[in-house]
Amino acid sequence: GAVVSQHPSWVICKSGTSVKIECRSLDFQATTMFWYRQFPKQSLMLMATSNEGSKATYEQGVEKDKFLINHASLTLSTLTVTSAHPEDSSFYICSASDGPPNQPQHFGDGTRLSIL
Amino acid sequence: DAKTTQPPSMDCAEGRAANLPCNHSTISGNEYVYWYRQIHSQGPQYIIHGLKNNETNEMASLIITEDRKSSTLILPHATLRDTAVYYCIVRANSGGYQKVTFGTGTKLQVIP
Repeated sequence: GAVVSQHPSWVICKSGTSVKIECRSLDFQATTMFWYRQFPKQSLMLMATSNEGSKATYEQGVEKDKFLINHASLTLSTLTVTSAHPEDSSFYICSASDGPPNQPQHFGDGTRLSIL
Repeated sequence: DAKTTQPPSMDCAEGRAANLPCNHSTISGNEYVYWYRQIHSQGPQYIIHGLKNNETNEMASLIITEDRKSSTLILPHATLRDTAVYYCIVRANSGGYQKVTFGTGTKLQVIP
């Protein structure tokens, strides 16, 4: 089945640093990738949607300069949390889809980000 | 974009069928109903999806009402490993942009 690999799975860093999270589709071409954030005991909140080769579409309230998304190829998208602060600590999850809405999204295993 | 509502929690005895309801009364004609589940600290796992017809796969069955305003996910013989949060979502294209919104989900506890 379709596999999405997310890396790293866990990262701890100091306040003010930037953190890059990678999301790769291993056995299919992902025309669309989604980035979510999940706080403890809450549901997934969609941050942005990106189509390969074009700019990401951010959800209301998500700062595009804070959360930089690059989807330069059909198998790789990256999320960079710039100048991270403790309030950015969360579980970040990506998903990828190889087509229209009748094709399922496949999710990575998430990245737990802790900012000290 | 259509939103979904689900009961916050349900219990099911091991070996019995688990029936998880979802309300999506504002769903539009081109929106698919998807079900995922999430086990603690992992990414969501795809279960099943449908548009209008009932669907069945090796994991579950999906029953969609004729008016498409609600659906039910059926796990025919629940096991302890089915304990998870189950999310019902709707998904469609809108001007080339896919919108996906997760609700709060149902926490299913399978009891021995």
